[in-house]
Amino acid sequence: AAGVIQSPRHLIKEKRETATLKCYPIPRHDTVYWYQQGPGQDPQFLISFYEKMQSDKGSIPDRFSAQQFSDYHSELNMSSLELGDSALYFCASSSHGLGVYNEQFFGPGTRLTVL
Amino acid sequence: QKEVEQNSGPLSVPEGAIASLNCTYSDRGSQSFFWYRQYSGKSPELIMSIYSNGDKEDGRFTAQLNKASQYVSLLIRDSQPSDSATYLCAASYNFNKFYFGSGTKLNVKP
Repeated sequence: AAGVIQSPRHLIKEKRETATLKCYPIPRHDTVYWYQQGPGQDPQFLISFYEKMQSDKGSIPDRFSAQQFSDYHSELNMSSLELGDSALYFCASSSHGLGVYNEQFFGPGTRLTVL
Repeated sequence: QKEVEQNSGPLSVPEGAIASLNCTYSDRGSQSFFWYRQYSGKSPELIMSIYSNGDKEDGRFTAQLNKASQYVSLLIRDSQPSDSATYLCAASYNFNKFYFGSGTKLNVKP
């Protein structure tokens, strides 16, 4: 079965640079979530989109922005990168068609290293 | 206080034993509950979902939900060394709230 696709898988940036992470949800999934996970920490919710509209916002820094496009893929844009932004970034997708269940399926993640 | 609380462990069990993982949640409006398994450096993998009070079994895994007491548990029977991972409990209220616990590290000793 098709899974969530994330690109790139690894990214190395310098401080103050900009990074763009991409997420392609499971076909027919209409909701995308972004998470940040630091070493030894649980995933921290950043932001979510349903039908191309922002549906919820978590601990996303103002330096970050995201959107969901007409084909349901999503991009997380990160500007003025800081050393503390180094982490694994996961995208997950789900389908409202499942009702209240909201099973989220995670992509393989993007490992961002800021030097 | 986190919305979903788990004992961080590590929980050590011998191979072949039953591993019991627990979590509690604070939002009484939570409707759906999930257990994810995460290996170091990998993404969380959904292993069980439960929405109704009682038990739900899938192979070696049994999820238990008690909404009155606001706790969810996961039993892993015949534990294998390959089950060694961090287990994340999560609770969801509609589609706009999804809370993860901090995870319990399970170590299955051969």
